[in-house]
Amino acid sequence: KAGVTQTPRYLIKTRGQQVTLSCSPISGHRSVSWYQQTPGQGLQFLFEYFSETQRNKGNFPGRFSGRQFSNSRSEMNVSTLELGDSALYLCASSFSSFLYGYTFGSGTRLTVV
Amino acid sequence: AQRVTQPEKLLSVFKGAPVELKCNYSYSGSPELFWYVQYSRQRLQLLLRHISRESIKGFTADLNKGETSFHLKKPFAQEEDSAMYYCALFTGKNSGGSNYKLTFGKGTLLTVNP
Repeated sequence: KAGVTQTPRYLIKTRGQQVTLSCSPISGHRSVSWYQQTPGQGLQFLFEYFSETQRNKGNFPGRFSGRQFSNSRSEMNVSTLELGDSALYLCASSFSSFLYGYTFGSGTRLTVV
Repeated sequence: AQRVTQPEKLLSVFKGAPVELKCNYSYSGSPELFWYVQYSRQRLQLLLRHISRESIKGFTADLNKGETSFHLKKPFAQEEDSAMYYCALFTGKNSGGSNYKLTFGKGTLLTVNP
């Protein structure tokens, strides 16, 4: 079956702009989580969605937001981009989080200039 | 707050030698622990789960609640084991989903030399 698909793979944006990243989970997976990966901070949790509801949110400013659609696809939005937002953004989906863990996508590499 | 510590950023061993990647966690609730691996130019993938007590690619990990550890071990390392390994703690199992998240360690880069 198809894995977790993230689009686009690469993005270059200018400070102050906004960006939307997309994630299509594995078919049947209703939980979608987002993580930010940087060399300095490692993998940090952004938020988790289940059946179109945000269940949990990490310690990121309000400029980071997301949503999930009825088909479980998810989008993440970052407004007013800052240089420090440059990172690899990973999406992960799960059927049952604590039993089976998460399946990760390849990520979207965001560069803010 | 939950925390995962992987004390070694880098670990280098020779092929055929035993390898142990250390992971310690801090969490007041019932922990669910995982090891993830990222091979060069590949996506992050699940290696094993403590709940299943499985052995994957020769790797095993035992949860020690007394020492709050979940070390990853393999008796004979292979060159193809070279990768970045992340220990992860899943929290919120009894929260009805309101606190579901994975907390990752900073990772250990394992290099297996020929």
